[in-house]
Amino acid sequence: DTGVSQDPRHKITKRGQNVTFRCDPISEHNRLYWYRQTLGQGPEFLTYFQNEAQLEKSRLLSDRFSAERPKGSFSTLEIQRTEQGDSAMYLCASSLLQGKEAEAFFGQGTRLTVV
Amino acid sequence: GQQLNQSPQSMFIQEGEDVSMNCTSSSIFNTWLWYKQDPGEGPVLLIALYKAGELTSNGRLTAQFGITRKDSFLNISASIPSDVGIYFCAGQVSGSRLTFGEGTQLTVNP
Repeated sequence: DTGVSQDPRHKITKRGQNVTFRCDPISEHNRLYWYRQTLGQGPEFLTYFQNEAQLEKSRLLSDRFSAERPKGSFSTLEIQRTEQGDSAMYLCASSLLQGKEAEAFFGQGTRLTVV
Repeated sequence: GQQLNQSPQSMFIQEGEDVSMNCTSSSIFNTWLWYKQDPGEGPVLLIALYKAGELTSNGRLTAQFGITRKDSFLNISASIPSDVGIYFCAGQVSGSRLTFGEGTQLTVNP
């Protein structure tokens, strides 16, 4: 399968703990996006990378959130000192830089539950 | 910020019926996309629209990019049970983030 891969699929953590999620995009895709989705809502943009450069961050991305894409391939999203309000589905997507750059293909998501 | 208003919020139809849903915005988008999401899964891209007035089909799905660039609709013909899910519209101004609507929950009764 050459789609977007996310790991883990589910994560339950205690409030105050740090968590890290991984995303492996489609191999030839230059752009990688992180979105957050809460129940009954559409995905909300968090940040995106073009190759290894982080080009845009949403105001939703507080200081406790950090994302990296060190070699322009896989990406990690870390949440420090988790809060109950961080409970959500975290979605990763990737797209080509040129041409159909709007066509973002999503992974299956990581469901985070903070207890 | 930009917001997309998607309607209806939910639809309950009989198998075989046609479905229509739409998305409107107060601001202009250069690209419109439609996604379908099943429970516990990520959204799956159905159709992408790049030009105002464009009408594009993908099997039983047809979508149009409104001439004003502020709206789009999605039609599903001859619905089947596997069409059940949440349908999201998304708009892009240029180059980066997608802005999503709140979704239309579709239920198909066999």
